[in-house]
Amino acid sequence: EPEVTQTPSHQVTQMGQEVILRCVPISNHLYFYWYRQILGQKVEFLVSFYNNEISEKSEIFDDQFSVERPDGSNFTLKIRSTKLEDSAMYFCASTKETGPNYGYTFGSGTRLTVV
Amino acid sequence: TQLLEQSPQFLSIQEGENLTVYCNSSSVFSSLQWYRQEPGEGPVLLVTVVTGGEVKKLKRLTFQFGDARKDSSLHITAAQPGDTGLYLCAGRRTSGTYKYIFGTGTRLKVLA
Repeated sequence: EPEVTQTPSHQVTQMGQEVILRCVPISNHLYFYWYRQILGQKVEFLVSFYNNEISEKSEIFDDQFSVERPDGSNFTLKIRSTKLEDSAMYFCASTKETGPNYGYTFGSGTRLTVV
Repeated sequence: TQLLEQSPQFLSIQEGENLTVYCNSSSVFSSLQWYRQEPGEGPVLLVTVVTGGEVKKLKRLTFQFGDARKDSSLHITAAQPGDTGLYLCAGRRTSGTYKYIFGTGTRLKVLA
């Protein structure tokens, strides 16, 4: 069964450093998303991406965050200057269509630890 | 920001028991999904409900969407240890957005 692949599975970074989280969505999917889950808290929407541009973003997704689809297969989330509170599991998801019967396929996540 | 509250937050039951998890909001949703998440993994879609009053069954799991499309429930019959996990509901608002907002989660543990 097709799956969404995320790398790395775990990243430790120092506060103030830039990190890039990588995702390879399912090949025929067109809509891409990043969510995050702080330990013990709920899954929070960050951003959605379609047709090479951001379609929606949350208030969490401030100027420190950016997304890119650099080569038609990878979908990346960059955090320019990490803060301690950015520590979380970051999940990439993709879907083929946006109709209600199309659920997200999530990757296994990247655990980001900012020290 | 609409909030999806799930209850109970934690549930520990014996194998063979039945249980119901609730997902409530003051907002109306065009569709609602249920996911299960296991430690170290991303959420996995179980079902999508779209029509008010809709009931869907997936083996021992029964999902219902409220008539007003503001709430949903998940009922598990004869729970098994393999049902252990974090259950998440996620709703999509009626217009202007494609994203799903996730609920607060219900952590279920089924003891053998």
